[in-house]
Amino acid sequence: GQQLNQSPQSMFIQEGEDVSMNCTSSSIFNTWLWYKQDPGEGPVLLIALYKAGELTSNGRLTAQFGITRKDSFLNISASIPSDVGIYFCAGQSSTDSWGKLQFGAGTQVVVTP
Amino acid sequence: DTGVSQDPRHKITKRGQNVTFRCDPISEHNRLYWYRQTLGQGPEFLTYFQNEAQLEKSRLLSDRFSAERPKGSFSTLEIQRTEQGDSAMYLCASRQEGQRYYNEQFFGPGTRLTVL
Repeated sequence: GQQLNQSPQSMFIQEGEDVSMNCTSSSIFNTWLWYKQDPGEGPVLLIALYKAGELTSNGRLTAQFGITRKDSFLNISASIPSDVGIYFCAGQSSTDSWGKLQFGAGTQVVVTP
Repeated sequence: DTGVSQDPRHKITKRGQNVTFRCDPISEHNRLYWYRQTLGQGPEFLTYFQNEAQLEKSRLLSDRFSAERPKGSFSTLEIQRTEQGDSAMYLCASRQEGQRYYNEQFFGPGTRLTVL
C-alpha cells in the first residue's frame, strides 16, 4: 500500500489564488517528484527534487524537498483554469535500489473563474 | 516527440478471460516500470525491468500476472483468469539509465481495464 500522506485531499479555489499542498513519508526519501494527472490519462512529470532543502521552480510551480528528507511541498501561484487536475507526490525511498516510486493519494484541484 | 505509448487504451473483458497489455517506452530508456492505479488512489508499483531482466516484483503481482520484456524494448503485462478486483488503470513508465540519483519516470497514457 501507499506510504505517503498527501494533503489536502481536494482544494476548491478561485482563479488567481495560490495553491499549496504537501506530502509526508514515514521513511527517508532521496527523490521527490510531483506529477499532474488529467482524467483518463497518465501522470505528467512537473518537478523533480534530489537534495534535501532543494527548492525548484517550473513556471508558476515551485516545489521543495524537506530538510528532514521525509516531506515535500508544492505551490502553484496565480492559478488558472488549466491548473485543474489531480496532483500527486511521489518519492523513492533511500533503501530502494531500483527506483520504484511510492505515491500519495493525490490532491484534486478545482479552479473556478 | 515519441513518449511512452500503451496499447490498448481501454479493455473490457469478462471475468475469467486472459488479457495482455503492451508498453513501448521512450526509445533510449532501458528502465521500465509497471504500476496499477485504482480509482481515487495514486499508482502502486507492480514490477521493474532493466533491459530484459525483471529485477523486482511487488507482492501485488499475484501468480496470475506475468510481465515480459523480451528484447529490452517493449514490454507486455498479461493477466490470466481475470477477476473483478483486477479492474484498474495499468500504467507503464520508463526512465533513462545513467544518472543514479536521477529518477525521472515518464508515464504512458495507461490501459483502463474493466472486468465484468
